[in-house]
Amino acid sequence: GAVVSQHPSRVICKSGTSVKIECRSLDFQATTMFWYRQFPKQSLMLMATSNEGSKATYEQGVEKDKFLINHASLTLSTLTVTSAHPEDSSFYICSARQLQGSIHEQYFGPGTRLTVT
Amino acid sequence: GQSLEQPSEVTAVEGAIVQINCTYQTSGFYGLSWYQQHDGGAPTFLSYNGLDGLEETGRFSSFLSRSDSYGYLLLQELQMKDSASYFCAGWMDSSYKLIFGSGTRLLVRP
Repeated sequence: GAVVSQHPSRVICKSGTSVKIECRSLDFQATTMFWYRQFPKQSLMLMATSNEGSKATYEQGVEKDKFLINHASLTLSTLTVTSAHPEDSSFYICSARQLQGSIHEQYFGPGTRLTVT
Repeated sequence: GQSLEQPSEVTAVEGAIVQINCTYQTSGFYGLSWYQQHDGGAPTFLSYNGLDGLEETGRFSSFLSRSDSYGYLLLQELQMKDSASYFCAGWMDSSYKLIFGSGTRLLVRP
């Protein structure tokens, strides 16, 4: 089956620093990747849609200058949280859609738990 | 706006059947998926309804009625390992974005 990995799985950073999270599709090419954020005991909230070779599309209320997304290849998208603050502490999950797959098939990564101290 | 509402918590006994409902208010919606998520884990795909009616996959079944803006997930022969959070998620036209529902925490008791 299609596998999506994320790195790192956990990260702790100090307030004001930046942290980069990688999302990779391991055995398929992904035209589109999605980034979600999930706070404890809450649902997944879509942050942005990332298409290979083009600018990401951000959901309303998500600061594009704070959450930088790069989708440089068909197997890699990165999310950089810039100038992180404690309120950015959350579980970040990416998902990917296959280049040749069915539209409704979306594969999720294992998530990255970010803690900002 | 786009919203999918679910009951926040459901408790059931091992071996029983439980139904988790999902009602939605959204436009440009073309299908409904269901995901399971254990604490600290990633969502795992359970079922997809692209058409009205019932889809069955083993112990899990899912139903969609577009005219009623309503769907449900049916879990049969509940096992302790089914204790998790369950999310319905709507697929949006044109953008193919997946919008998650509010989530239901299922607790299976012995």
